[in-house]
Formats: sequence, C-alpha cells, structure tokens
Amino acid sequence: AQSVTQPDIHITVSEGASLELRCNYSYGATPYLFWYVQSPGQGLQLLLKYFSGDTLVQGIKGFEAEFKRSQSSFNLRKPSVHWSDAAEYFCAVGAGPSSNTGKLIFGQGTTLQVKP
Amino acid sequence: DTEVTQTPKHLVMGMTNKKSLKCEQHMGHRAMYWYKQKAKKPPELMFVYSYEKLSINESVPSRFSPECPNSSLLNLHLHALQPEDSALYLCAASGKGTDTQYFGPGTRLTVL
Repeated sequence: AQSVTQPDIHITVSEGASLELRCNYSYGATPYLFWYVQSPGQGLQLLLKYFSGDTLVQGIKGFEAEFKRSQSSFNLRKPSVHWSDAAEYFCAVGAGPSSNTGKLIFGQGTTLQVKP
Repeated sequence: DTEVTQTPKHLVMGMTNKKSLKCEQHMGHRAMYWYKQKAKKPPELMFVYSYEKLSINESVPSRFSPECPNSSLLNLHLHALQPEDSALYLCAASGKGTDTQYFGPGTRLTVL
C-alpha cells in the first residue's frame, strides 16, 4: 500500500539556520512527489513537486528538495530559515499518469517552529 | 498559477441547519476535491469529481452532499451535522494526469 512518513512531528530551528524536513514514501512505481506548506487557518500552498528528470527540484520561497530513489526519500531543505517559515509542512505522493483522479496520500505533517 | 476560491471563510451552524460551502476555480482544471482537516492533522479526502462526475466518495456520511454544477464550481451541502464535523474544509483542483492539486483557503466550520 502507498504510504508517506514524516518522521519528525515537530522541529525547532533558529532563524538563519539551515533546515531539512524528512519524507519517506512507499510506492510500487516512481511516484509524483509534493511538498505543501500550511500557515495556521490557511489552505495548503504548493512549495515544489517532482515528476521526473533532475532529482534536485527548486521551489518557491527558497526551498529545494531532492528525490533519492534508493532511499525512497524526498527531503525538503532550505539554507537559511526566516521567521515567516514557521508553519506546518506536508509531504504527499500521487500515482502519476496512471491515476485518473489525482488522489494524493499525505504524510502526517511536520510543525516547524523558528526561534528568533 | 492556479487560484481556487472558497466561500464563506467562516461558518457557524446548528445541528438542525442546512448550509452550503462553495468552491470556484477558473483555470480549466478537470478534477476537483473536497477535504476535511482537523487541527494538526493532514487533510482527509472526502470526494473527488472528475469531469464533473463523482469519481470517489471516501465513505463520507450522507449528511455531506457534494454537487458539481459545472467545471468551475463545486459545492458541499451540509445538513444535520454533528459537533465532531467542526473542521477546516478545503477545496482543491488539479489538471488531468498531473496530480498537482491547488488548494483554496478553506472554510472554517463550527457546528454547535
């Protein structure tokens, strides 16, 4: 069965420090992979996505993620965190072209707190 | 980019009320979704419409009734809800075969 695991429920980093949020997936074929960010009471905003090609993908707000097939991982990184990055982060996997519905499987989320 | 709008932003209703949530997108996306999200949890899929036809119903209670009047609009009709139905309701839209879902800002629903 498809699944997504975000091992870290809560992460605290200092402003200006680097950040890495972990995501591991279980899927039989090459999935479509996504990272979303959600500020309190808001909808989900797409940060970046991976479908194929270059395994290092750039997203909005200075985020990047690397797809590692051998480790079934798609970790999100940012070199220098800003206070405004404090939010909930969700990793998600989709079935790709084989899916007619585009159903996504979400991880449980990681809460990022940024210390001044 | 894709914009998905939702109205109202907040809704408070009693258990005997009937209300509706509305979602609109103008990017020509062919799939639209309703999700329910509790605090500190990921979104839970409720319904998927593909080409204006209901393609997935994730065993949602009948007090939630979706409707897709056209390719740009998605409604969620609510009736006889329970307090545990209080949550953030999110709408999303995606193009065919890409799985990239774009979310609206959500409606915060409180059932008294």
